[in-house]
Amino acid sequence: DIQLTQSPSFLSASVGDRVTITCRASQGISSYLAWYQQKPGKAPTLLIYAASTLQSGVPSRFSGSRSGTEFTLTISSLQPEDFATYYCQQLNTYPGYSFGQGTKLEIK
Amino acid sequence: QITLRESGPTLLKPTQTLTLTCTFSGFSLTTNGMAVGWIRQPPGKALEWLALIYWDDDKLYSPSLKGRLSVTRDTSKKQMVLTLTNMAPVDTATYYCTRLVEGPTIDYWGQGTLVTVSS
Repeated sequence: DIQLTQSPSFLSASVGDRVTITCRASQGISSYLAWYQQKPGKAPTLLIYAASTLQSGVPSRFSGSRSGTEFTLTISSLQPEDFATYYCQQLNTYPGYSFGQGTKLEIK
Repeated sequence: QITLRESGPTLLKPTQTLTLTCTFSGFSLTTNGMAVGWIRQPPGKALEWLALIYWDDDKLYSPSLKGRLSVTRDTSKKQMVLTLTNMAPVDTATYYCTRLVEGPTIDYWGQGTLVTVSS
């Protein structure tokens, strides 16, 4: 199975900060990686797909990148509505589309 | 407008079988590259991918649940059904129905339905 390791698990930051979340795959998944944002009591929403493509309607302060099997989600300037939990997901077909364990972004 | 809505029981006893229905609108599951699937999330825990059924009726299952899990579809009713046998308290979770498009990308989620397993 392909394992995704997200870091950090918890992140405390302030409005206006630049933050980076990392997701490392246990084997190659090409660029088949997505990032989601989830707020309490709500379904996740898609932010980034194909490692670096911004979903329509998502603010441009969100960006994604890939270096080998390491992927990063960057928020360039945190806004109050960005405090949430973030998940990465690999969509390399076999054996299934596993998720990272999540990163909870909290207000400092 | 694309929507997905989950329906089914909210409370089950251990060993019972869960049957959840996803009713979707705004797209067709017969479109090349399209798929509908399930993801679950235990309370306070991470997301867990479960299964997908594709436009050509191909199916993909989580290896950890493969023996207990099955998905079927009714394209005329625009529904997809998940069946999970031998439910246990560890299967307590919010179950989400999702859409996958070519890419692949999971771009739409239902609101989710909480299923509790308790004696």
